[in-house]
Amino acid sequence: GEDVEQSLFLSVREGDSSVINCTYTDSSSTYLYWYKQEPGAGLQLLTYIFSNMDMKQDQRLTVLLNKKDKHLSLRIADTQTGDSAIYFCAQYGSSNTGKLIFGQGTTLQVKP
Amino acid sequence: EPEVTQTPSHQVTQMGQEVILRCVPISNHLYFYWYRQILGQKVEFLVSFYNNEISEKSEIFDDQFSVERPDGSNFTLKIRSTKLEDSAMYFCASSPDRVFYEQYFGPGTRLTVT
Repeated sequence: GEDVEQSLFLSVREGDSSVINCTYTDSSSTYLYWYKQEPGAGLQLLTYIFSNMDMKQDQRLTVLLNKKDKHLSLRIADTQTGDSAIYFCAQYGSSNTGKLIFGQGTTLQVKP
Repeated sequence: EPEVTQTPSHQVTQMGQEVILRCVPISNHLYFYWYRQILGQKVEFLVSFYNNEISEKSEIFDDQFSVERPDGSNFTLKIRSTKLEDSAMYFCASSPDRVFYEQYFGPGTRLTVT
């Protein structure tokens, strides 16, 4: 079945790069996403990548997709304390009805 | 910037009661969704809705659940007879037509069933 897995916690120092990893099972997935959730807030769409791409860069964010290993990563350059949040990886379901399948979320802690 | 809004932010109800969670999707979006997140668990898909019809529903979305778009702006989730295990954060999301794969989420409604 469709499943997405992430590590639960990452701690970095302010100014360092953060790399959040995700693995997924459905190789037919056409879109893969990163959402950010700050305390008490909803899910903010950060970025997404089409399955025919290997990399996407958007300011401090770099998404890498390894289709062979079904591995997605989000790199945040020059991590700031404001980046502290839960980051969710998600894949677009194979039914093509808009269903997103989410990982359990990675809590990013940024220490000053 | 347009955003998805949800009301109420927190709803407390007794087991067996009916609840209606309300969402106002982004104007001119055509695809609508409900998800839920039980505390400490993954965000789970409940239902997708397009052209006044359910496109897909999950196993969770049984006969106790229903969705409706009663007018041109609201999208509601009704739980007919709430159970303790329905306690969760419920998120509404919407997508535009041309970029249907971009889903924008609301802030959520925390439902507590006692």
